[in-house]
This record gives sequence, C-alpha cells and structure tokens, in this order.
Amino acid sequence: EADIYQTPRYLVIGTGKKITLECSQTMGHDKMYWYQQDPGMELHLIHYSYGVNSTEKGDLSSESTVSRIRTEHFPLTLESARPSHTSQYLCASTPGQGIDTQYFGPGTRLTVL
Amino acid sequence: AQTVTQSQPEMSVQEAETVTLSCTYDTSESDYYLFWYKQPPSRQMILVIRQEAYKQQNATENRFSVNFQKAAKSFSLKISDSQLGDAAMYFCAYRRRWGGTALIFGKGTTLSVSS
Repeated sequence: EADIYQTPRYLVIGTGKKITLECSQTMGHDKMYWYQQDPGMELHLIHYSYGVNSTEKGDLSSESTVSRIRTEHFPLTLESARPSHTSQYLCASTPGQGIDTQYFGPGTRLTVL
Repeated sequence: AQTVTQSQPEMSVQEAETVTLSCTYDTSESDYYLFWYKQPPSRQMILVIRQEAYKQQNATENRFSVNFQKAAKSFSLKISDSQLGDAAMYFCAYRRRWGGTALIFGKGTTLSVSS
C-alpha cells in the first residue's frame, strides 16, 4: 500500500461545526486530489492541486475548501458541516509524470448529525 | 464529456473459478489510460491493473488480466483462480493522457467470493 495517510478515519459531528480532514503523503508527489464517495457509489472529484499554492475545484460542486502550503499536506475544511456533507472522503496523490497512477488514502468517513 | 459504465452492480464467483467484470466507456479522445481499482470493505482502494490505450497488448498482473477492445470502447477485467481475498468493490476508471486531471470512475461492481 502507498504512503498516503488520512485522519481521522471516522468522524461523527453535529451540524454547524467546523472540521478539517487531514491528508498527507510521504512520496513527494506533486499532484493531490480529494474525492467524495457516497456508500456503494462511484467517486467524484471535488478538489485537486498540482503543487504548492495551487488548488482547483473538481467536477462535483462542494462547499469545502482546500489548501496546499506544503507538498506533502493537502487538508480539506468544512466551515459549517451539514447532514448533506455526510459521505466518505478519499484523498489521492500522483507523481505527476508518466502514466500517473493515483494512490489512495484509507478515507475519512464523515457523519454529520 | 467522458463517461464510464459498469453494468453489473453485483457479481459472484466460487473460489478457484474465473469471473469477468465488464466496463465500457465513452470518449472522443484517442489517447488515454484505463484502470481497474479494488476497494475491499473498509479498506484502502488499491490499483489492480492499468492499460495504456496506445498499446494493443492486453495488460496482465498475475491472476488479473484485461480484455481491451478499443474500437468497442470496452475494458473488461478477468480474475482467474478467484480467492476469498478478491471479494471487494471493483471500479473501472478512465483518464485522458494529455491534459487529464483526475480519474473518471464507473459506479463499481461488488464481487463476492464463496468457498
């Protein structure tokens, strides 16, 4: 398995709370991604980054925000969580060269009550 | 826009048997990559096999092989000698070779393996 980590693995919080999902990788990869996955469904891209200080929104609209201050770190923040944010969030990274296979983290399963 | 379709929500196979998972995709690009990912229950998603569209030879990785039919836009995964550990959700994914950002996924196929 790849060296990409996500914390927390599970999170249950109340509506209106601010949360940050952490993602880090030790492979020196330039490109990083956040996907949202509802149970039993496909993954949808919500954010990506091609390097430090570079962030873009993905195909699926999301109220979350991301930052990329360090190469190895790509946190996702929800300023005010709502039940509609309940989902699994997967982080991935790629070296940015060649076939560019994506390596995934274990995911954070978020439940907003 | 590119799309990926997996028409089999669920499949089952017995240990030691062979199973084939289907995937079709739609794209106007001629150069791209295709992937099969495996997501075991509550575990990390991992790459099973990948195919470069400009290569005609089908990719193989031990017990896993693909049948890539570019003209038909079909990319099926064959699992030979199935094992209990193969039980998982399998996702087919597509990415453009040039200027591609992230992967486009199908809805997945849940594979169960019985002894």
